[in-house]
Amino acid sequence: EIVLTQSPGTLSLSPGEGATLSCRASQSVRSNYLAWYQQKPGQAPRLLIYGASTRATGIPDRFSGSGSGTDFTLTISRLEPEDFALYYCQQYGISPPMYTFGQGTKLEIK
Amino acid sequence: QVQLQESGPGLVKPSQTLSLTCTVSGASITTSSNYWSWIRQPAGRGLEWIGHIYISGSTNYNPSLKSRVTISVDTSKNQFSLNLNSVTAADTAVYYCVRAPLLWFGSGYYYYIDVWGKGTTVTVSS
Repeated sequence: EIVLTQSPGTLSLSPGEGATLSCRASQSVRSNYLAWYQQKPGQAPRLLIYGASTRATGIPDRFSGSGSGTDFTLTISRLEPEDFALYYCQQYGISPPMYTFGQGTKLEIK
Repeated sequence: QVQLQESGPGLVKPSQTLSLTCTVSGASITTSSNYWSWIRQPAGRGLEWIGHIYISGSTNYNPSLKSRVTISVDTSKNQFSLNLNSVTAADTAVYYCVRAPLLWFGSGYYYYIDVWGKGTTVTVSS
């Protein structure tokens, strides 16, 4: 089973700054199996990025994803107040077939 | 647009069976190329995938829960369901039903979750 480790655990930034969130896998992950989600308190997660770099419908272009193999990154340029939330990466494993998530990165206002 | 709504008891006694149903609206559950899945999240913690079902009836479960989980589908009601037996306090969580499309891009599939229910809180306590 592939384990995803996200860093940092908490990221403190100000609106207008840029954010870089990391997701590292214990084994190589196919890019088409890697996605990112945003979760706000009391809400279900929302899909941001799939296929490591494709923005989901309606997601602003300040969100971008990159990476391959074991290292993936979610970048948020010019943070807006509504971007402060929890972020999770997710991968799909073939053996066994299952979805797994990282433990999350909390993006908080500095 | 597609919407998912979880329903079921909010309180389950230890050792009993947790049963939840997800009603799908805005799309037919028989549409191919979708996994219908359950995910849970204990308070203040991360997301745990429980399992999914394809319209063929094929299922996959998280190995850590496999011995206790059954996911089924009722096409006549456009619903799918989760049964988790022999529950303990560790099963207390928000339970989400979700849709995971299988999107072909020419050389493989994308795997991600695009629609989430609002979630329902289940507490295991006597």
